[in-house]
Order: sequence, then C-alpha cells, then structure tokens
Amino acid sequence: QVQLQESGPGLVKPSQTLSLTCTVSGGSISSGSYYWSWIRQPAGKGLEWIGRIYTSESTDYNPSLKSRVTISVDTSKNQFSLKLSSVTAADTAVYYCARAPDIVVVPAEDWGQGTLVTVSS
Amino acid sequence: QSALTQPRSVSGSPGQAVTISCTGTSSDVGGYNYVSWYQQHPGKAPKLMIYDVSKRPSGVPDRFSGSKSGNTASLTISGLQAEDEADYYCCSYAGSYTYVVFGGGTRLTVL
Repeated sequence: QVQLQESGPGLVKPSQTLSLTCTVSGGSISSGSYYWSWIRQPAGKGLEWIGRIYTSESTDYNPSLKSRVTISVDTSKNQFSLKLSSVTAADTAVYYCARAPDIVVVPAEDWGQGTLVTVSS
Repeated sequence: QSALTQPRSVSGSPGQAVTISCTGTSSDVGGYNYVSWYQQHPGKAPKLMIYDVSKRPSGVPDRFSGSKSGNTASLTISGLQAEDEADYYCCSYAGSYTYVVFGGGTRLTVL
C-alpha cells in the first residue's frame, strides 16, 4: 500500500517561494504508470488541482497557477516537490500530494495527509 | 467561485437515499465521461468514491452510485449511514489545457 507524506515549512512570507516535498513509500516513483500531483484546499473551501508530473520531462499545470508553479521529481529519494513562487495570503491552504493511475482520468486516487501552509509576514 | 456548481448542503435520515448534483458545461461535465466524486471527512484527506461517471473503486460500497445527464452529474447515496456524513466534491475532466475542475463541495448531514 503506497503512502505519501508531505513536508516543508508551515509558514511562508508574502512574495517568497513556497516549497513542499512529498515522500513516497511502498512504491517506486520511477516505476511509471502513475501521475504524481499536488492539490490544495483553503480552509473551509473547495479543492484546487495545482499540477502533476509523470516523468521528469512531463508536467501539467493549472493554467491559473502555471506562471508560478514548478513540480519536479527526485527518483533517487523517491520524492516529488512543489515550488510556488510569489505567494500571497490567497495561497494559504492545506496542500496535499497525491497519486493517480495513468489509466484513469482522476486527479488523485491515493492522498497524503496534507500539510497546512500559511502565508503571512 | 468553483467551476462546477454543487448545492451547499443536503441532508437525509438513516436508511434514506440522497442525491447530490454537480452542474458544469459542455466543456467539462457535458463533454466527457470523466466525472469523479470524492468524500472528505473533517480533517482528513479526500477519498475517491466514483470515477468515470459511475465506476466504483475497489472497497467503495455499492450504496454509492453515479450518473450523468447532459451537463449535470449526480451522486446518489442509498441506505444512508451515519458514517456517510461528510463533504462531497465532484470533479470533471475539462480538456487537455485545464485538465480537471472541481465543484465547491456539498455538506451531507445524516439526521
């Protein structure tokens, strides 16, 4: 059973870059057949898909965030990462990392527990 | 404002059936048979309940069913149980540029 665990700073200053890492256990991130995604949820609000990575060269991003988002993978550590630049208070949310099979059109099937990131000075 | 429209809340008594609607456009719900539904309990990560409009992942009770008509998808939960009380989110494929959009969520209360 795959497990995903988010890690990173819980507090980021406005205009800085938010950086999170997702560590995958119980499965290899380089085995193929899965998309590795980031999804966020502001407190009391709905879900927003941020983006995904399939291989080191294949990424897709939410058009509304594309100019600020980078998702990358480190196969040696079995991790993938999210960087969101020029953050504002509107980026405060619980950030989830997730996995979805490439044969199903869903943003996520397996989820991490989520990590709260607050943007504040 | 979410791309897909869901009722803010629905409720039902144990044993009853409830239906949650999810309205989009011909560019998302109406254009593809790729609607999924997620259940989220407070403080927990979402759980995939339905994909491809009406398919259930392994382990999801058959009390949960999905359907679609035109630009509106629906999730029906029959034989309501106390543990079904949660937030439910619909999600639809919206083309290769956008990929997916979510609904704003519906709070299900089991009376």
